[in-house]
Amino acid sequence: ELKVEQNPLFLSMQEGKNYTIYCNYSTTSDRLYWYRQDPGKSLESLFVLLSNGAVKQEGRLMASLDTKARLSTLHITAAVHDLSATYFCAVEWTPLVFGKGTRLSVIA
Amino acid sequence: SQTIHQWPATLVQPVGSPLSLECTVEGTSNPNLYWYRQAAGRGLQLLFYSVGIGQISSEVPQNLSASRPQDRQFILSSKKLLLSDSGFYLCAWREGNTEAFFGQGTRLTVV
Repeated sequence: ELKVEQNPLFLSMQEGKNYTIYCNYSTTSDRLYWYRQDPGKSLESLFVLLSNGAVKQEGRLMASLDTKARLSTLHITAAVHDLSATYFCAVEWTPLVFGKGTRLSVIA
Repeated sequence: SQTIHQWPATLVQPVGSPLSLECTVEGTSNPNLYWYRQAAGRGLQLLFYSVGIGQISSEVPQNLSASRPQDRQFILSSKKLLLSDSGFYLCAWREGNTEAFFGQGTRLTVV
């Protein structure tokens, strides 16, 4: 059984600061996805990581994948309030297995 | 392009009443289809997934059921709702090993 662990589950950070969200998984998989969910809304795809060493960047967010360590990170640079949301990682399996999500709150 | 439709957006139902939520996908063939539930402030719980017409896999035993009568249609049902069935229900689709795309969700409140 594939297990996916995200940490932290809750994150309150100041505007302008940097932080990293971690996604660990228990079984070999070479694909990983990151999603964003705004309060009361559905999930929106952020990044698709398809191989070991993959790195994707969009604005202040950068995601990476290390399949050997079974670890993906979502790095936030110079946080702004608009980034406040819940972030989920999902690991390729049948079916996809999601982490529990990291609720990010960016405060002034 | 592919789109996913999920309805209704919100629903308030009394305990013991039946439920039917519908999800349809356009612009793709033979997608993998999923039903997830999210309790308030919680993560995603996979309820059912389907890799083809009439093929349903259940992840969590409960009073819900799913059906896939057509290639791009996925229905979530219950004969008698419980209070614990309240939550945010999300339908999603994938083509093979690609990212999943989610519908807008149905917020169900059982009273």
